[in-house]
Amino acid sequence: GQQLNQSPQSMFIQEGEDVSMNCTSSSIFNTWLWYKQDPGEGPVLLIALYKAGELTSNGRLTAQFGITRKDSFLNISASIPSDVGIYFCAGQPTYGGSQGNLIFGKGTKLSVKP
Amino acid sequence: GAGVSQTPSNKVTEKGKYVELRCDPISGHTALYWYRQSLGQGPEFLIYFQGTGAADDSGLPNDRFFAVRPEGSVSTLKIQRTERGDSAVYLCASSSQSGTEAFFGQGTRLTVV
Repeated sequence: GQQLNQSPQSMFIQEGEDVSMNCTSSSIFNTWLWYKQDPGEGPVLLIALYKAGELTSNGRLTAQFGITRKDSFLNISASIPSDVGIYFCAGQPTYGGSQGNLIFGKGTKLSVKP
Repeated sequence: GAGVSQTPSNKVTEKGKYVELRCDPISGHTALYWYRQSLGQGPEFLIYFQGTGAADDSGLPNDRFFAVRPEGSVSTLKIQRTERGDSAVYLCASSSQSGTEAFFGQGTRLTVV
């Protein structure tokens, strides 16, 4: 089936640092979504992107829908301790799936630098 | 309620037993989704409802898994003859229409022993 490659798998943050993560796909996507998941909770929607080239911000978070429609990135500026968690990208493919079938990446785990 | 509600939050069952997992979507949301999340993985699609009908059940792993949404609101995921490999967190999500932002519940952690 279709897969999303999400990188990095994990990273350590120091308060105040900027963070970047991205997702790539071998196929074209209609929609890109970014979620954050805390332990024991369901994923929480951060940003939704619907058009190629779209750049959207939500507070310190900025995400872009790649021009090729095969990638997306998420940036977090001036990180704070509560940014720790697992971030998932999810996409809705143009072909090969229903409108309700989201494909998720494996996640990027953000932890605090020891 | 304001968000997607799933019950129970935890379920431990013996291998071979039958289990039902319930999802209450956000009021007014017509689309409802079930996903399964194994440890260290992203959620994997199981089934998607538009109203009362299953619009896409291509993610159900086998015929032991079945889901219903008889009145277009609450949904129940049913698993027969559970196996240890069914252990995972089962997530439900809903959206106002398919293809728009999906909001997730907190999940049901199923453990088959």
